Formats: sequence, C-alpha cells, structure tokens
Amino acid sequence: EDQVTQSPEALRLQEGESSSLNCSYTVSGLRGLFWYRQDPGKGPEFLFTLYSAGEEKEKERLKATLTKKESFLHITAPKPEDSATYLCAVREDAGGTSYGKLTFGQGTILTVHP
Amino acid sequence: EAQVTQNPRYLITVTGKKLTVTCSQNMNHEYMSWYRQDPGLGLRQIYYSMNVEVTDKGDVPEGYKVSRKEKRNFPLILESPSPNQTSLYFCASSFPNAGELFFGEGSRLTVL
Repeated sequence: EDQVTQSPEALRLQEGESSSLNCSYTVSGLRGLFWYRQDPGKGPEFLFTLYSAGEEKEKERLKATLTKKESFLHITAPKPEDSATYLCAVREDAGGTSYGKLTFGQGTILTVHP
Repeated sequence: EAQVTQNPRYLITVTGKKLTVTCSQNMNHEYMSWYRQDPGLGLRQIYYSMNVEVTDKGDVPEGYKVSRKEKRNFPLILESPSPNQTSLYFCASSFPNAGELFFGEGSRLTVL
C-alpha cells in the first residue's frame, strides 16, 4: 500500500531560522511528488511538482528536492507569512495514460515567530 | 478568475437529514475529486471523476454518493448523514494527469 509520511508533525522556527521538512514515501512507481501549502480555513494551494530523483524546484524562500525515497522542502530565512501547513502528495504510476492514485501525507504545521 | 466553488461553506445538520454539497469549477477540467480532512488523518479521497458520467470510489466512499452530469459540476451527496461524517470537505479539479490540483475553499460539515 502506498504510504506518505511527513515529519516533523509541527515545527516552530524563529524568523530567519532556516530548516527543512521531510516527506518520505513508498510507492511502486512514482509518477510525481507534489508539495502544497494550506492556510487555516483554506484549501491547499499548489507549490511544486517533482518527477525524478535529483530534481529541484525553487520559489522564493522555498526549495523542494527529491530522492528515490524522500523529498525535502527547504525553507531559507523564513518569515512569519510562511506559517502554514505544508502537505506532500505522491501519485503512483498506474501504467499507460491511467490517472494514478494521489496519496497525501498528514502535513507539517510550520509556525514562524517574528 | 479560475476557481473551484463549494457550497455551503458551513453547515450544521442532524443525523439522517439528506444533504448535498455542491462543487463547480470554471477551468474546463476533466478530473474532479472530493476529499475529507480530519485531524491526524490528513486528506482522504472520497470519490473522483475522470470525466462526465465517469466516477469511481476513493479511499473512504462509504456513506457518500456523487454524480457527474456536467463537466463543471461534481456534487457530493450524503443520503443519511451520521456524526462520523463531521469533517472538513474539499473539492478539487485538474486536467488529466496534471500535477496541480485546484482546491475549493472547503465545506465544514457538522452532523449532530
């Protein structure tokens, strides 16, 4: 069974204190790993897609990386507005053009204090 | 503006009283899906639809029904709600096999 595990469950940082969130996964074939940001009371908002080991994507203070078993979301010099829940999701390779199942992790709650 | 619209956003109901949560998207997406989000359990897929008249069960379909008669709409039906269906529900849509899912704002449902 596909599994996606995120750690830590919660992370408190001081403004400017860089850190990383982890997403480890087990899937028979990876068709994509996705990072989302979710603010309280809102729907998740797409951040990145990673498809293969070694791939990296960046957006402002966020950088996502991918290995064969896990992904990291690095946050450099975070600001209070980066506070949110960060969700990781993986899509399995269902073969051909089939739309593989998307499985979400439970998320990491990030709080950045000024 | 590209968006996924859910209604109602908040609802308190009683056990057994049928309700429908509507979902509409304006991006011409073929794929639509319903999720529920519960503390400690994350986002779990209820049902999804690959296109009009094509729907399939997700991980937690019990107690729910869906229909896809039009491309833009994907309502979630609770025929006889129970307290264990108290949750935050999200509708999402995308193009087939696209990485980016567009989510609605969520519908918080309480069943007494």
